[in-house]
Amino acid sequence: DVVMTQSPLSLPVTLGQPASISCRSSQSLVYSDGNTYLTWFQQRPGQSPRRLIYKVSARDSGAPDRFSGSGSGTDFTLKISRVEAEDVGIYYCMQATHWPFTFGGGTKVEIK
Amino acid sequence: EVQLVESGGGLVQPGESLRLSCAASGFTFRSYWMSWVRQAPAKGLEWVATIKPDGSQMFYVDSVKGRFTISRDNAKNSLYLQMSSLTAEDTAIYYCAREARISDYWGQGTLITVSS
Repeated sequence: DVVMTQSPLSLPVTLGQPASISCRSSQSLVYSDGNTYLTWFQQRPGQSPRRLIYKVSARDSGAPDRFSGSGSGTDFTLKISRVEAEDVGIYYCMQATHWPFTFGGGTKVEIK
Repeated sequence: EVQLVESGGGLVQPGESLRLSCAASGFTFRSYWMSWVRQAPAKGLEWVATIKPDGSQMFYVDSVKGRFTISRDNAKNSLYLQMSSLTAEDTAIYYCAREARISDYWGQGTLITVSS
């Protein structure tokens, strides 16, 4: 199975400052159709996961533009340009290129 | 508006069976891959199973193969997860999600607790 490794585990951030989360996969996530199926989800406390970014860098229509995704192959990053209070929660990356699909362990974003 | 509403959760004893349902609305259900994802208490997310739009192909994580069966009824806009031989390790919130590779919408989840 593809192992997804996220870092850091916990990310204390000052409001208005940037934040960055890393996600590394144990195999390339490029699929045979040319797409890279790497998705980022946000899970606020007590809520179900919400998709933010799909196919590495495509932002969901409901996601604020302060969220951006980048990367290729096995190395991916989620960036928040200026953290707001509503961004508190756990962020997960997920690969959906190889069966079984697998998630990273999550990164908890909190306000300092 | 896309809506996914899970039901069927509850408390069951080890070894018992349970069927979860997910009622879909707001989109053409028969055109989409559908998945189940679970989250054990205070743990991360685990993909469980996915089914093709026509129900002809299913995929499972190894830990549930032979015990869980994903299915769908396109006439009823419903997704199901039949679970058997449940163990404490299956205790989790179970979410249904639309699509497979890009999982765009998720339900609110239904909690399964396996305990004697």
